[in-house]
Amino acid sequence: SQTIHQWPATLVQPVGSPLSLECTVEGTSNPNLYWYRQAAGRGLQLLFYSVGIGQISSEVPQNLSASRPQDRQFILSSKKLLLSDSGFYLCAWTGGDSQGTPYFGPGTRLLVL
Amino acid sequence: SQQGEEDPQALSIQEGENATMNCSYKTSINNLQWYRQNSGRGLVHLILIRSNEREKHSGRLRVTLDTSKKSSSLLITASRAADTASYFCATGYQKVTFGTGTKLQVIP
Repeated sequence: SQTIHQWPATLVQPVGSPLSLECTVEGTSNPNLYWYRQAAGRGLQLLFYSVGIGQISSEVPQNLSASRPQDRQFILSSKKLLLSDSGFYLCAWTGGDSQGTPYFGPGTRLLVL
Repeated sequence: SQQGEEDPQALSIQEGENATMNCSYKTSINNLQWYRQNSGRGLVHLILIRSNEREKHSGRLRVTLDTSKKSSSLLITASRAADTASYFCATGYQKVTFGTGTKLQVIP
């Protein structure tokens, strides 16, 4: 069966510090991978999606970037965090056995102070 | 930008009552999905309805889809306190986008 991992679960970072969040998927190959952000009490905002290694589509201009160095690994990064980067970051995958249904990881709660 | 919008934004009902949430979307779709999110947690997939389907059931959940109106509804029958959560609709294939969500509170 497929599983998706995200870490860390919680992160508190100072403004101006770098960020690296990692997501990995097990049990499937060639997944589409997604990063979403959810501000407190709000809906999900699609940040990036990837249909293959090195292929990243950015949905909104922002202080973040994404990379996909391996088939089942998706990384969200920032060189300098802003207060507005605080939120709940969710990684998801589709493809293969999921039949187009996104399945989500447990999320990372980021607080920028 | 959000593809879908849920209505109402918030809903409070008594346990045992039915809860209905609506979702409207903008572009043509292949399927539409509903998710639940408990406070501070990840999203759990509830049900998928394809564009050629009009209604689908899963336990106490009933989903309808009207492609002519670009809308879907999620009905939870005989609600329970454990149904308290936010509910989102999602559309898209490679690029999957979510609505703004309905926050449901079921009062015991």
